[in-house]
Amino acid sequence: DGGITQSPKYLFRKEGQNVTLSCEQNLNHDAMYWYRQDPGQGLRLIYYSQIVNDFQKGDIAEGYSVSREKKESFPLTVTSAQKNPTAFYLCASNTQGGKLFFGSGTQLSVL
Amino acid sequence: AQSVTQLDSHVSVSEGTPVLLRCNYSSSYSPSLFWYVQHPNKGLQLLLKYTSAATLVKGINGFEAEFKKSETSFHLTKPSAHMSDAAEYFCVVSGGTSYGKLTFGQGTILTVHP
Repeated sequence: DGGITQSPKYLFRKEGQNVTLSCEQNLNHDAMYWYRQDPGQGLRLIYYSQIVNDFQKGDIAEGYSVSREKKESFPLTVTSAQKNPTAFYLCASNTQGGKLFFGSGTQLSVL
Repeated sequence: AQSVTQLDSHVSVSEGTPVLLRCNYSSSYSPSLFWYVQHPNKGLQLLLKYTSAATLVKGINGFEAEFKKSETSFHLTKPSAHMSDAAEYFCVVSGGTSYGKLTFGQGTILTVHP
């Protein structure tokens, strides 16, 4: 079945540590997105990519980094510069103008 | 720049009464607009989308939304609320100079009372 796979489901970060969230899709979608969901704030866009080897900052990119070396993969690294990383992270993909397909999310917490 | 504002963080209705969830947007060019719904502990589901065709868009589960360019609004309505409609609803805008960027509103939590 086609879809988006995010891993891990739960992740814990120690202070000063970088952690990477995985997002893989087999839908052959060109566009991929990373959102952060906090209670009462909706989904805020971190980074998005319209094509392989290209990506753009979203509204809250500081403290995060991404890569898009393959069409299927769009990993997100939460760096030590992100001072408030505890949140639910959602990866999504779509064809241009199409509906978003979401992964099941990763809950990141700080130890 | 593009942005979207959902005017109510919480809406409470009685079962069988109309639902109105309000959304205003800002976009430099003709936008695409979407409504998504998220039920508790479930993923996001597309309700409907507008992409410059008919201004009145019909979606799933009896929901519809009207695109009003003069008011920069895309309000979501349903004639009669059902208990299963209780969820959080997100208005989303895409378009403008940031091609492909999808911006979510802050969400509206809909409560339906028996």
